[in-house]
Amino acid sequence: NAGVTQTPKFQVLKTGQSMTLQCAQDMNHEYMSWYRQDPGMGLRLIHYSVGAGITDQGEVPNGYNVSRSTTEDFPLRLLSAAPSQTSVYFCASRGTGTNQPQHFGDGTRLSIL
Amino acid sequence: AQSVTQLGSHVSVSEGALVLLRCNYSSSVPPYLFWYVQYPNQGLQLLLKYTTGATLVKGINGFEAEFKKSETSFHLTKPSAHMSDAAEYFCAVSDGPGNQFYFGTGTSLTVIP
Repeated sequence: NAGVTQTPKFQVLKTGQSMTLQCAQDMNHEYMSWYRQDPGMGLRLIHYSVGAGITDQGEVPNGYNVSRSTTEDFPLRLLSAAPSQTSVYFCASRGTGTNQPQHFGDGTRLSIL
Repeated sequence: AQSVTQLGSHVSVSEGALVLLRCNYSSSVPPYLFWYVQYPNQGLQLLLKYTTGATLVKGINGFEAEFKKSETSFHLTKPSAHMSDAAEYFCAVSDGPGNQFYFGTGTSLTVIP
């Protein structure tokens, strides 16, 4: 059981470049989320989705886009990378119901030069 | 909105000593509470969760947490620390609608031999 799979694991970009972080889950979960983790700030929610075709903004959405065309996939796009977006990005999914825990991928470590 | 406060960004204990990691939350509705552990260069793994019922919750690796509504707390404990417990620990609370999980800023646990 793969769970939540994120690719790539590491990436270095130059300022202004764009890229897509991939996230896929095989648990048929409706809810998926993207977080960024920065030292001393815990995890902050970027965007989330409650099902295919439905997305919404989280706490720190600026500079990021998402789409959810299938239940399995939830890619995160950086439109024009900035050094402030250097972070570790985590994708998570969970089943329906508010008492369901989040299942996390292993993260993508992104550096913007 | 929900919020989570983890007191102490760094905690050090001796091997074999009691581990106590503090978490307080604010919630206008009955919360669902979670503790996650993150090992270096890995994603977050669920340690335990409280939804309803028994207020003392047992998790993996010998950890447990007690939900105290009157104190709005959900502190994590382990009677005897092991070297393998060294990691970052996150408390999280879930609210009702959508996929909103609110994370604390984390506590880094160091275990001294």
